[in-house]
Amino acid sequence: QEQLVQSGAEVKKPGASVKLSCKASGHTFSNYHVHWVRQAPGQGLEWMGIINPTGDSTRYAQKLRGRVAITMDTSTSTVYMELSSLRSEDTAVYFCARELAWTFDVWGQGTVVTVSS
Amino acid sequence: QTVVTQEPSLTVSPGGTITLTCASSTGAVTSGYYATWLQQRPGQAPRSLIHSTNNRHSWTPARFSGSLLGDKAALTLSGVQPEDEAEYYCLLYYGDGGAQSYVFGTGTKVTVL
Repeated sequence: QEQLVQSGAEVKKPGASVKLSCKASGHTFSNYHVHWVRQAPGQGLEWMGIINPTGDSTRYAQKLRGRVAITMDTSTSTVYMELSSLRSEDTAVYFCARELAWTFDVWGQGTVVTVSS
Repeated sequence: QTVVTQEPSLTVSPGGTITLTCASSTGAVTSGYYATWLQQRPGQAPRSLIHSTNNRHSWTPARFSGSLLGDKAALTLSGVQPEDEAEYYCLLYYGDGGAQSYVFGTGTKVTVL
């Protein structure tokens, strides 16, 4: 069964960084783009960014540009999302999702990130 | 900043029909926005129902259909079931000038009563 398995919950202090992982299980990322999406408590979905299948091209939401970095380790079929200079507003559930030709077919289970002093 | 607007909430009776819409602050939504419609139940990850405006996935019930309605993308639920009560989001692709970005809609809470 093709899945995306995300890393566990994180608690961080304001100003710190967090690096989340999203590992493909039962498949690889060849041909697929991988997106990161987040959802603050009680809020809607927010698109954060995308990495291409070979991991050498990324695009980020303008709001997060400069604080977010998405990388890929093709040898382990794992995509990472690092968010720096964390603020309380970054408290959210973070999801990864794979996409092919604008078709989002597999999502990770989500990772809770809590930013609190 | 681009804003994608959906109805905040809609209520429908079981067996009824309901249409959700998705509007872009940049102008008319066309097929080039490759509209995706997702369903999210509380505590769960989103699940795509419709991709590229009007294409169902293999797991999407036939009662869900996507279209362009005027200058918006639309999701129609026909013969609504109690399990359709959920939050629905559209997702639009903005590819002009090589920007390649995506924006989620504000979401519509569908209540089945």
